[in-house]
Amino acid sequence: DVKVTQSSRYLVKRTGEKVFLECVQDMDHENMFWYRQDPGLGLRLIYFSYDVKMKEKGDIPEGYSVSREKKERFSLILESASTNQTSMYLCASSLRRVTNYGYTFGSGTRLTVV
Amino acid sequence: DAKTTQPPSMDCAEGRAANLPCNHSTISGNEYVYWYRQIHSQGPQYIIHGLKNNETNEMASLIITEDRKSSTLILPHATLRDTAVYYCIVKNSGYALNFGKGTSLLVTP
Repeated sequence: DVKVTQSSRYLVKRTGEKVFLECVQDMDHENMFWYRQDPGLGLRLIYFSYDVKMKEKGDIPEGYSVSREKKERFSLILESASTNQTSMYLCASSLRRVTNYGYTFGSGTRLTVV
Repeated sequence: DAKTTQPPSMDCAEGRAANLPCNHSTISGNEYVYWYRQIHSQGPQYIIHGLKNNETNEMASLIITEDRKSSTLILPHATLRDTAVYYCIVKNSGYALNFGKGTSLLVTP
């Protein structure tokens, strides 16, 4: 089975800190995605990457950046964490185009910014 | 991408079929219908997808109307573990899937 692993399940950070959320997949997928999920708002796409060093903004990129130096790893960076970035963050991967099996998601990182 | 409309919540008795509707009246010819579900505190899980024909796999069946403006996900014998939020997504061959708010399905004993 494809595994998408997020480095932390729970994370607490202080306002103004630089935060790194790491995601690793083990099935050689080209596409990787970062979503955040908030009550009443559903899943919202932050950034995605369709190849190493390539990135595209999603619907809510403000306050975030990403890094994809290796195919298997996609990092989400909060340059200066703020309380409104408290959320559940979900990473996903897929083959180059949306395929029969679509996305595989990680278990999520619940980030609290205090 | 076409927008989808789903009821916010539904109930189903354990052992009965759960039929989850989705309206996608603006769907275009090359857009697929995908279904995912998210069990509490987990990442979403792929269930099934289709273009025109009805589809069935080990998890569920997908019925798409002839005009493709709506579809129904069927869980034939719902169990308590099927309690989850179910997302209907319409997407062409682009990269990203856009998740809406989905339907919260509660399976009761």
